[in-house]
Amino acid sequence: NAGVTQTPKFQVLKTGQSMTLQCAQDMNHEYMSWYRQDPGMGLRLIHYSVGAGITDQGEVPNGYNVSRSTTEDFPLRLLSAAPSQTSVYFCASSSNRGRIYGYTFGSGTRLTVV
Amino acid sequence: RKEVEQDPGPFNVPEGATVAFNCTYSNSASQSFFWYRQDCRKEPKLLMSVYSSGNEDGRFTAQLNRASQYISLLIRDSKLSDSATYLCVVNKMNNNAGNMLTFGGGTRLMVKP
Repeated sequence: NAGVTQTPKFQVLKTGQSMTLQCAQDMNHEYMSWYRQDPGMGLRLIHYSVGAGITDQGEVPNGYNVSRSTTEDFPLRLLSAAPSQTSVYFCASSSNRGRIYGYTFGSGTRLTVV
Repeated sequence: RKEVEQDPGPFNVPEGATVAFNCTYSNSASQSFFWYRQDCRKEPKLLMSVYSSGNEDGRFTAQLNRASQYISLLIRDSKLSDSATYLCVVNKMNNNAGNMLTFGGGTRLMVKP
């Protein structure tokens, strides 16, 4: 089915470990974003990309890196995991008409850092 | 002050009731407006866009007041399946021509039999 695919669905990390959250979409969307969702905080933008080779920081970028080598993939890297990064992470994509049609979200990655 | 504010609820209503949620946004540069629905432990899903003239989709009606920077969602004839968290979302184009969504914290609705 067309959509946004995130892997893994669940992950437990030890403090200081690094890992990459994967995100892929097959809708040829230009825009892709990573959000984190914490209780009482709503979804907050981490990084976003307006196309292959172009990325920029969102509201809460510290501790995360991204790259966009292809239109389809937008991985999020945690450089040195901290307990404060325990959260649910959502990847989202949109066509360049996203301001009208909104975003499509992946099913999320639940990350726990111990 | 949060850029998009919502009453977190919960709103507890009986089946068949009409319920309304409100949302205010602070950035006058916001260009597009949406309501998303999020079920427990699931991803947000687009419920409806919100247009300046107001729009309706079945039992759901959305209104936008740009002057007051206020968005509303009305649900008529509530169903048990409407129980979820409703997220108010605004979209603005940033200087890099990016599409940036800002989410409210969500309003939780619980529809009881």
